[in-house]
Amino acid sequence: QQQVKQSPQSLIVQKGGIPIINCAYENTAFDYFPWYQQFPGKGPALLIAIRPDVSEKKEGRFTISFNKSAKQFSLHIMDSQPGDSATYFCAARKSNYGQNFVFGPGTRLSVLP
Amino acid sequence: ETGVTQTPRHLVMGMTNKKSLKCEQHLGHNAMYWYKQSAKKPLELMFVYSLEERVENNSVPSRFSPECPNSSHLFLHLHTLQPEDSALYLCASSQARREADTEAFFGQGTRLTVV
Repeated sequence: QQQVKQSPQSLIVQKGGIPIINCAYENTAFDYFPWYQQFPGKGPALLIAIRPDVSEKKEGRFTISFNKSAKQFSLHIMDSQPGDSATYFCAARKSNYGQNFVFGPGTRLSVLP
Repeated sequence: ETGVTQTPRHLVMGMTNKKSLKCEQHLGHNAMYWYKQSAKKPLELMFVYSLEERVENNSVPSRFSPECPNSSHLFLHLHTLQPEDSALYLCASSQARREADTEAFFGQGTRLTVV
């Protein structure tokens, strides 16, 4: 119940394509869902996050879609660029003093020029 | 830079060695974390220090020992490690508040190789 499932494991798209990464969770106590982007040799960095009271959040080319009833959320990258090539992690957290960040296993995205 | 600094960036140690990883955060946060990142596995939360209270993952072996002398510094003491402990060790910090979005800021990690 503590797991966050993420798919696909890897993804290759052409420049300008719209990669979509999906995550699913079981624990209904989770109430904060961030996405992290990690480049090789770097730590993960927060990309965008959503709470379950909204169904969609957009920041620049990055959009999170959230389906509370299905306990699923996804990341869409519009007009993807080679610089977006990285590993993306979804995560979930319960509202108890910022602890218990549970991460998905990650998706390695490659955007071809 | 995220405001979370880890040293060293790379570490090679023998199984009989004792070493320590250091993390320092300059963000004024009150919670700090150690994560282990192994190939093809989810980030694994090892230890949390939040509001000066320690929470640990019970599956972490005792050869890993954390220390948090104050809210800005976090150490991970290592002794008699095994080759399977080779991984990227990430430190993170956040501001622990009950009703706020407490994102985690990560350091760049220490790449540990146990030989």
